[in-house]
Amino acid sequence: AQRVTQPEKLLSVFKGAPVELKCNYSYSGSPELFWYVQYSRQRLQLLLRHISRESIKGFTADLNKGETSFHLKKPFAQEEDSAMYYCALSSGYSTLTFGKGTMLLVSP
Amino acid sequence: DTGVSQDPRHKITKRGQNVTFRCDPISEHNRLYWYRQTLGQGPEFLTYFQNEAQLEKSRLLSDRFSAERPKGSFSTLEIQRTEQGDSAMYLCASSFGRRNNYGYTFGSGTRLTVV
Repeated sequence: AQRVTQPEKLLSVFKGAPVELKCNYSYSGSPELFWYVQYSRQRLQLLLRHISRESIKGFTADLNKGETSFHLKKPFAQEEDSAMYYCALSSGYSTLTFGKGTMLLVSP
Repeated sequence: DTGVSQDPRHKITKRGQNVTFRCDPISEHNRLYWYRQTLGQGPEFLTYFQNEAQLEKSRLLSDRFSAERPKGSFSTLEIQRTEQGDSAMYLCASSFGRRNNYGYTFGSGTRLTVV
């Protein structure tokens, strides 16, 4: 069975501080991992995919198969990064399984 | 194309009533998904369609729930004999292709409140 764990419900940092949102997964095959973000009063939207190895809005995430992790990182947090972040997993052909989410609050 | 549209945005109903939600996906997308989200939880999978075929249903989808996607275009999700536990945000998403490596595009959701 697929499972995604986001251990922190809330992460509060000051502007300019580094951010790391943790995501661990459980899946026996070759996973595809995603980060979704939901800003206040907006719909859930895709932030980045591990397969593209891209940096979006300064965020990056590296898939570590040994540690079964896909942590989201940003070196310098901005106030506009405050949002709910969801990690999600797919086998590629199956549907996405989401974690419970982490609320990121960036204070000035 | 303005993305994935869901209607209504909010629905308040009395326990025991039936409700129906509609989702219009992005026109080029062949896959359509329904998820449910309750407070403090991530989206939970309910069912999905590839074109007009309903390919997978979650155990969360009791026999009071039914979904259709006639002609592979829009989809409806109906809940019969609503219960207070059905109160949630119902999310629709769509995607293109056989694989999920491009992720989903979500709608704004329909918030259901059962009183």
